[in-house]
Amino acid sequence: DSGVTQTPKHLITATGQRVTLRCSPRSGDLSVYWYQQSLDQGLQFLIHYYNGEERAKGNILERFSAQQFPDLHSELNLSSLELGDSALYFCASSPRPSTDTQYFGPGTRLTVL
Amino acid sequence: GQQLNQSPQSMFIQEGEDVSMNCTSSSIFNTWLWYKQDPGEGPVLLIALYKAGELTSNGRLTAQFGITRKDSFLNISASIPSDVGIYFCAVASNDYKLSFGAGTTVTVRA
Repeated sequence: DSGVTQTPKHLITATGQRVTLRCSPRSGDLSVYWYQQSLDQGLQFLIHYYNGEERAKGNILERFSAQQFPDLHSELNLSSLELGDSALYFCASSPRPSTDTQYFGPGTRLTVL
Repeated sequence: GQQLNQSPQSMFIQEGEDVSMNCTSSSIFNTWLWYKQDPGEGPVLLIALYKAGELTSNGRLTAQFGITRKDSFLNISASIPSDVGIYFCAVASNDYKLSFGAGTTVTVRA
């Protein structure tokens, strides 16, 4: 158990819908990272927040957005969903911006029908 | 898209065997990482490498950071059933983004 929690574990929705994925980082961690894992694209970095502020963006679609709240939990919002958005979405956290201390959560499996 | 070429894509190994996988890049990176992902879980960091030529061990795992800073390999010695999983190499950029290889799926024959 990494100490990072993600909800929900599974999510099934329809094309065109909007969903919110939630991440609670490990106690004391100020950095939160979101990754997408799909069969065709592999594991890809989406976005990084540190203490409420966006620090870096990866290949994140404009239909996707994220935020980190004062209590440090983070949400990833996916809108106008397409079939190709079906994937595992992972959140990771670290005490501060880091490459070697990112602890990954168990992921949310999103299925778009 | 993927910057890293990881091979092999999959492997079947006999329990007790030593195995190796590697990762190459067309670009130079200053940090190489190896992760393992078990079914239904997120990736877990196995080994981090920071210096060209560095050889680092973690139990039965050994990884090396290539001299050119464009490659790395991971060895697993004396394979056991719990070594099953997907192994990923990753590189880190200056803004803390991780870029992952496509993964090597390891299956152990008992």
